[in-house]
Amino acid sequence: DSGVTQTPKHLITATGQRVTLRCSPRSGDLSVYWYQQSLDQGLQFLIQYYNGEERAKGNILERFSAQQFPDLHSELNLSSLELGDSALYFCASSVGLAGLQETQYFGPGTRLLVL
Amino acid sequence: AQTVTQSQPEMSVQEAETVTLSCTYDTSESDYYLFWYKQPPSRQMILVIRQEAYKQQNATENRFSVNFQKAAKSFSLKISDSQLGDAAMYFCAYIRDSNYQLIWGAGTKLIIKP
Repeated sequence: DSGVTQTPKHLITATGQRVTLRCSPRSGDLSVYWYQQSLDQGLQFLIQYYNGEERAKGNILERFSAQQFPDLHSELNLSSLELGDSALYFCASSVGLAGLQETQYFGPGTRLLVL
Repeated sequence: AQTVTQSQPEMSVQEAETVTLSCTYDTSESDYYLFWYKQPPSRQMILVIRQEAYKQQNATENRFSVNFQKAAKSFSLKISDSQLGDAAMYFCAYIRDSNYQLIWGAGTKLIIKP
């Protein structure tokens, strides 16, 4: 158990809908990262937050947005869902911007299926 | 472009034997970290081992060790005394200074034969 929690574990929805994925980082971690893993592929970095502020953006679609709240939990919002958005969405956390030596610890992921 | 290449989509090994998974990467950075993550059927992403690029000594964690060749930009993972629980997808990744993004390889599926 990494200490990172994600809810829900599974989500089934229809095209055009909007969903919210939630992540709680490890106690004491200030940075949260979101990744997308499509079937049998590596992870794609979406976005990073540090202490409530957006720090880095990767291959995140305009239909997707995220935020980190004062209690440091984060939410990833996916809207106008398409079939191709079906994937495993991971949240990871790390202590903060302490440099390259930080290890990112991953949550169990949310499996999203868009029908 | 910064890339990570895992040239072996799938590997199999007999239980108790040793297997090596390969990884090469492309970066112009001088300081970075390299990681191997394991993803078992549960899909949880688990850190196996990490290597600091400025350290010449290869990292070791119990049965897992790496062969880090900085000049060749190679970072292979050796698993000794393979166990059935080692069966998983293994991903190589590195993180660089500019934005702390983890750049991932496509993964190698490791099969352990009993």
